[in-house]
Amino acid sequence: AQKVTQAQTEISVVEKEDVTLDCVYETRDTTYYLFWYKQPPSGELVFLIRRNSFDEQNEISGRYSWNFQKSTSSFNFTITASQVVDSAVYFCALSEAFVQGGGGNKLTFGTGTQLKVEL
Amino acid sequence: EPEVTQTPSHQVTQMGQEVILRCVPISNHLYFYWYRQILGQKVEFLVSFYNNEISEKSEIFDDQFSVERPDGSNFTLKIRSTKLEDSAMYFCASSPSGRIFHEQFFGPGTRLTVL
Repeated sequence: AQKVTQAQTEISVVEKEDVTLDCVYETRDTTYYLFWYKQPPSGELVFLIRRNSFDEQNEISGRYSWNFQKSTSSFNFTITASQVVDSAVYFCALSEAFVQGGGGNKLTFGTGTQLKVEL
Repeated sequence: EPEVTQTPSHQVTQMGQEVILRCVPISNHLYFYWYRQILGQKVEFLVSFYNNEISEKSEIFDDQFSVERPDGSNFTLKIRSTKLEDSAMYFCASSPSGRIFHEQFFGPGTRLTVL
């Protein structure tokens, strides 16, 4: 069974601080994808990144960066120079390989980390 | 850019009533999903749907729930007799295929409140 753990329930930082959100996953599959979603107070889910299990290269997109380490089953997300607009709940999610019989690739979400960025 | 839409944005109902939540997936997508998020908790998979059949469902998706694609565009989630614990945000998602490299596109959600 697949599982995603986000041990940090809530993080508070002051604007311009760097912050790292942790994500640890469990899966028996060798082929899988990892995702990060942002959920602002308005409630929608905003897709941030998708990473496949064969690509361990770190990725940077503006102030966002992701560190994928298969050896520790972790996919951590860092926001550099945080801003108030980054305040949201951030979810890490896992999708395992294509299911036999035509089943779709369901996402398993972690419990989320509430990030509060204050002035 | 194409997007998944959901109606209504907020539904209030009395316990025991039937509700239908509606979703319009992206037009060329083939796989459709419903997820649920109880307030303050994680997003949970309910059901996936392909070729007019349920592909997979979770333990949450009991006999009170059903899904349907009544026409070529809408994808609905029906709760037959709502309970207080059905109060949650319901997200619809669609993807071009069931392949895991295809991203699921989420709708904005319907907040269901059961009184």
